[in-house]
Amino acid sequence: NAGVTQTPKFQVLKTGQSMTLQCAQDMNHNSMYWYRQDPGMGLRLIYYSASEGTTDKGEVPNGYNVSRLNKREFSLRLESAAPSQTSVYFCASSPGLTVTSQFFGPGTRLTVL
Amino acid sequence: AQKITQTQPGMFVQEKEAVTLDCTYDTSDPSYGLFWYKQPSSGEMIFLIYQGSYDQQNATEGRYSLNFQKARKSANLVISASQLGDSAMYFCAMREGQGAQKLVFGQGTRLTINP
Repeated sequence: NAGVTQTPKFQVLKTGQSMTLQCAQDMNHNSMYWYRQDPGMGLRLIYYSASEGTTDKGEVPNGYNVSRLNKREFSLRLESAAPSQTSVYFCASSPGLTVTSQFFGPGTRLTVL
Repeated sequence: AQKITQTQPGMFVQEKEAVTLDCTYDTSDPSYGLFWYKQPSSGEMIFLIYQGSYDQQNATEGRYSLNFQKARKSANLVISASQLGDSAMYFCAMREGQGAQKLVFGQGTRLTINP
């Protein structure tokens, strides 16, 4: 089992460019999440998907869109990147409706110039 | 108001000593969950331990235990017999509400284990 995988690991964008971060899990989990972590900070939730076909906003959704493609995959799209979106992005998944554990991917380090 | 407060930005401990990392939380929901994560310098987030608000016993996972004091709204992580590999950032997080999906994280405590 690979657990939660994310691609790419690193990315540099210019202001205004777009990109999609990919996430997949092979643990048959129902819920998936996207977080960002800024230097010296804890994680902040961007979007989550409690089940296939549903998505909801988290704490900091502005500037992002998500797609829950199927039960395994949850992508995060930046339509027009801004320097304020420079961060490390983590995808996570959890098994059930009530979160009692959450497993993270290795992260994507994104720099927007 | 901060939902999760970790007051120790950094801690230094001798190897083999026990460590307590502080976490206080703020919620009015009777149903909530508390989590601890470890983030080594390599950057990944590792889930350590979970405590539900209705759990009668303190959660334990190997060398990790959660000292849950509901009246004080405190959920401290205790690491017994610390090892050099325990050096990392540690984050406390909370889920409010049964069936809720959102976790709110504290700002973390950097733990350094000295040989």
